[in-house]
Parts: sequence; structure tokens; C-alpha cells
Amino acid sequence: AQSVTQPDIHITVSEGASLELRCNYSYGATPYLFWYVQSPGQGLQLLLKYFSGDTLVQGIKGFEAEFKRSQSSFNLRKPSVHWSDAAEYFCAVAQEAASKLTFGTGTRLQVTL
Amino acid sequence: GAVVSQHPSRVICKSGTSVKIECRSLDFQATTMFWYRQFPKQSLMLMATSNEGSKATYEQGVEKDKFLINHASLTLSTLTVTSAHPEDSSFYICSAATETNYGYTFGSGTRLTVV
Repeated sequence: AQSVTQPDIHITVSEGASLELRCNYSYGATPYLFWYVQSPGQGLQLLLKYFSGDTLVQGIKGFEAEFKRSQSSFNLRKPSVHWSDAAEYFCAVAQEAASKLTFGTGTRLQVTL
Repeated sequence: GAVVSQHPSRVICKSGTSVKIECRSLDFQATTMFWYRQFPKQSLMLMATSNEGSKATYEQGVEKDKFLINHASLTLSTLTVTSAHPEDSSFYICSAATETNYGYTFGSGTRLTVV
């Protein structure tokens, strides 16, 4: 069965600083990988996804993620964080298109001014 | 882009009553709909998967008689919480998926409070 680990429950960064959120997955084949962001009381917004091709994926709001098969990782990065990026971030994995998503436990990002 | 409309956004009901939550894919046909439950400051837990015209597949531990899911068309899925109790209070989110875009579109969620 697939699983996702987000080791960091809570991260605090200063505005303008770089950000990296970690995500490790467990699945035998090449998974479909996603990063979502959730503001309090809201649904989820897709930041980016990977299922094949270039392992460095560009997303919305200046985010990018890199798929590293050897490390079973799909870390999310942003070179300069804005205060509006404060939210909960979820990494998720699916075995195939339109199959069920398994979410990590989430990382809460706090941005200090 | 793909939009999923979920309503109501908030609902308060009395213990013992039933509540229906709707999710509609507005500009695409969803092959599959997923229903999740999210407790405060926790991750999303999949409750069930539904495909149009067939019975929903429930995750282990989810009471199918309590959480009734209907996927009557490719654009509409409903979750009915029957005989709701305070412990059913939670944030419920639906998600629609199509095989063509390898993506999932989420509704904005429903905050259910059972009093």
C-alpha cells in the first residue's frame, strides 16, 4: 500500500527566506505525486503534480518540486516566501490516474515578518 | 479550470437528524468522486470512493450505513450523514477526478456541527 511521510509538522520561516518542505513516499512503481495547499477552513488547492517526464516540476505561486526516485522524495521548494504563503501543505500520492489519493500528515507553514 | 462546487459550506444540525452534502463538477465530467473527512489540524482521511452508477467503495472502518454516498451522474455526488451525532462533527471534503488530466479537483469543504 502507498504511504506518504511529511517529517515536519510545523515550520517557521521569515518572509523572503527560502523554503523546503519534505515529502517521502512509499510505493513500488512510479507514483503520481501532488502538493496541495490549504488555508484554514478551506478546500485544497493544487500547487503542482508529477507523474512522468522532467523530474523538476514547476507549479503555481512560484513553487517547484523535484522527484527523486533514489530517495523516494518529492520535496517542495520556494526561493522566497511571502507572508501569504502561510498555510497547511499536504503531499499526496496515487498509484495511477484517478485512483485514490493518500495524504501525508501535513506541514503547517508559519511566516514571520 | 476544473471547478467542483460543494455545498453547504457550513451546516449545524441536531443530533439524530440527517444531513446531505452535495458536490458538483461544474465544467467537466468526473470519472470518480472521493469523499474525505478532516479533523481539526489533521490530514484528510479518505472515507469512500464512488464511480457514477455504481456502489461506493468504503474505506475500512467507515460505516457505509451511516455515510451514504450516491453518485447519480458524472457531475453530481452526494454524501448523507444519517442519524448524525456530535462525534460526526467534522470537515468533509469531496474531490473529483478524471483520468484525462491526471488531477483531482477539490470542493471547498463542508463544516458539519452536530449539536
